[in-house]
Amino acid sequence: EAAVTQSPRNKVAVTGGKVTLSCNQTNNHNNMYWYRQDTGHGLRLIHYSYGAGSTEKGDIPDGYKASRPSQENFSLILELATPSQTSVYFCASGPDRGGDTQYFGPGTRLLVL
Amino acid sequence: SQLAEENLWALSVHEGESVTVNCSYKTSITALQWYRQKSGEGPAQLILIRSNEREKRNGRLRATLDTSSQSSSLSITATRCEDTAVYFCAHYQGGRALIFGTGTTVSVSP
Repeated sequence: EAAVTQSPRNKVAVTGGKVTLSCNQTNNHNNMYWYRQDTGHGLRLIHYSYGAGSTEKGDIPDGYKASRPSQENFSLILELATPSQTSVYFCASGPDRGGDTQYFGPGTRLLVL
Repeated sequence: SQLAEENLWALSVHEGESVTVNCSYKTSITALQWYRQKSGEGPAQLILIRSNEREKRNGRLRATLDTSSQSSSLSITATRCEDTAVYFCAHYQGGRALIFGTGTTVSVSP
């Protein structure tokens, strides 16, 4: 069974503070993704990566950075958190071939005050 | 972005009944996926149906795909309370990442 873990599971941050969300996968998948989920919007792609050292912008990258230091780890960084970034964030991993299954982590609930 | 869209926000059924969630999409696809997301969890794939398939089954689940009308459906038979969840259709855009619909909440009551 594919395994994707996220930490922290819940986070409260202050406006203007820095937030780092971490994701680890043991699937040996090259591709990893960060999504946010808000009511009425489904899941929206923030950043993704094709392998260690690579990051690509998704559909809503503004205000977010990503880092992929290794095959297993993919981080999402909010340098200056804003209340509009309050959301639930999901990390996912997937094999190389587009069209295949993505495996999601349990999510991180972020509240920015 | 071209979105996959489920057609109804919410559906309610009683245990044992069948339910169908519909989805429409707006671009050429190679495959369409159905995911289920239970409260407090991440989405989990139920079925992947490729563009050359018209129907695919997985236990009590049946997905159909009509590429001419750019629509898909997911049917669940003999529903159980544990089928209560949000159901999403999704497809890859440009081989990059999944594009999700906004989801249909299915509630199954005893």
